[in-house]
Amino acid sequence: AQRVTQPEKLLSVFKGAPVELKCNYSYSGSPELFWYVQYSRQRLQLLLRHISRESIKGFTADLNKGETSFHLKKPFAQEEDSAMYYCALSDRDTGFQKLVFGTGTRLLVSP
Amino acid sequence: EAQVTQNPRYLITVTGKKLTVTCSQNMNHEYMSWYRQDPGLGLRQIYYSMNVEVTDKGDVPEGYKVSRKEKRNFPLILESPSPNQTSLYFCASSTLAGGGGEQFFGPGTRLTVL
Repeated sequence: AQRVTQPEKLLSVFKGAPVELKCNYSYSGSPELFWYVQYSRQRLQLLLRHISRESIKGFTADLNKGETSFHLKKPFAQEEDSAMYYCALSDRDTGFQKLVFGTGTRLLVSP
Repeated sequence: EAQVTQNPRYLITVTGKKLTVTCSQNMNHEYMSWYRQDPGLGLRQIYYSMNVEVTDKGDVPEGYKVSRKEKRNFPLILESPSPNQTSLYFCASSTLAGGGGEQFFGPGTRLTVL
């Protein structure tokens, strides 16, 4: 079965510090990985997906199939990055019918 | 404005009283889905629909029903709500690539079952 693990419930850093939100997955098929973000009083929205290989708001994430990880990184955190971050996995082989989320990590960036 | 809407946004009800949470999208998306969000458990998929009249169970379908009679609407029905269904519910939609495409989420419906 598909499973997504985010080991940290809360990650607290100071402005300007590097950030790494961890995500590990368990799936033997062809997964597609995503990071979704929910800012305070806003809707859950897509931050980035691994096949795009793009940087959004300074965040990047690399899919490491050997370590089955998809960690989200940013070299210099900003206060506006404070939000709830969810890693999610979908399965290409089944036509992406399901999206499995991790339990989420709350990022708090202090001034 | 392209969006997913849910109604009601907040609902307090009693055990056993049937209720429906509506979900509508104006983006002509084929795929729609319902999730519940609980502390420490993240978002869990309840039901999803690949197209009109095509629905399937997610990971936590017990106690819920859905229907997809029109492309834009995907209501969530609780025939006999129980307190363990107290949760925050999200509807989402995307293109036919399903989870492979970007899912657009509604604002959420906070349900309390007494």
